[in-house]
Amino acid sequence: EVQLVESGGGLVQPGGSLRLSCAASGFTFSSYEMNWVRQAPGKGLEWFSYISTSGSTIYYADSVKGRFTISRDNPKNSLYLQMNSLRAEDTAVYYCARTEYSSTNWFDPWGQGTLVTVSS
Amino acid sequence: DIQMTQSPSSLSASVGDRVTITCRTSQSISSHLNWYQQKPGKAPKLLIYAASSLQSGVTSRFSGSGSGTDFTLTISSLQPEDLATYYCQQSYSTPRTFGQGTKLEIK
Repeated sequence: EVQLVESGGGLVQPGGSLRLSCAASGFTFSSYEMNWVRQAPGKGLEWFSYISTSGSTIYYADSVKGRFTISRDNPKNSLYLQMNSLRAEDTAVYYCARTEYSSTNWFDPWGQGTLVTVSS
Repeated sequence: DIQMTQSPSSLSASVGDRVTITCRTSQSISSHLNWYQQKPGKAPKLLIYAASSLQSGVTSRFSGSGSGTDFTLTISSLQPEDLATYYCQQSYSTPRTFGQGTKLEIK
């Protein structure tokens, strides 16, 4: 079964740091591009980071650029998100999602999400 | 960035109704449009990719259409398990962007 499982969420003070992990199983992780998508409480979905199969190409949304770092460890089948200088507006459920391709591309599957709360 | 506008933002319909949700993009994206379903407290799930292709395992009650800037998700006969929020998403350019969501309630 193809599965993504996030971990590492929790309560952190403004200005603090947190590292999220996403463990992949059931597929050849090194062959797939990966993403992070977040959802603030009661709000919609926001894509904010992408990493290529080798990690050589990375994109960020402006909302996190310079503060968040995406990375991956293919032998460990894991995706990571280092979050620094956290703000209240970063409070959200964080999902990892695999990129699938055909005539276009899409996110499938998604992990179950991990909640990050930034508050003093 | 490509802006995505879904309508309506919410709707209430009865079991058996035909339901249509619309997604409009700020520029032409050909058929680079996907639809997701998010049930309360759960992660999003892919329903439709490339505007009209049904994801494997998804009931054929769901269908998608459109190209360019105007797209539609249709549920042919609403069922109680369709209670969810539905999102469109463009895969034409980075940053990938989502519509604001359509919350579907069952009367």
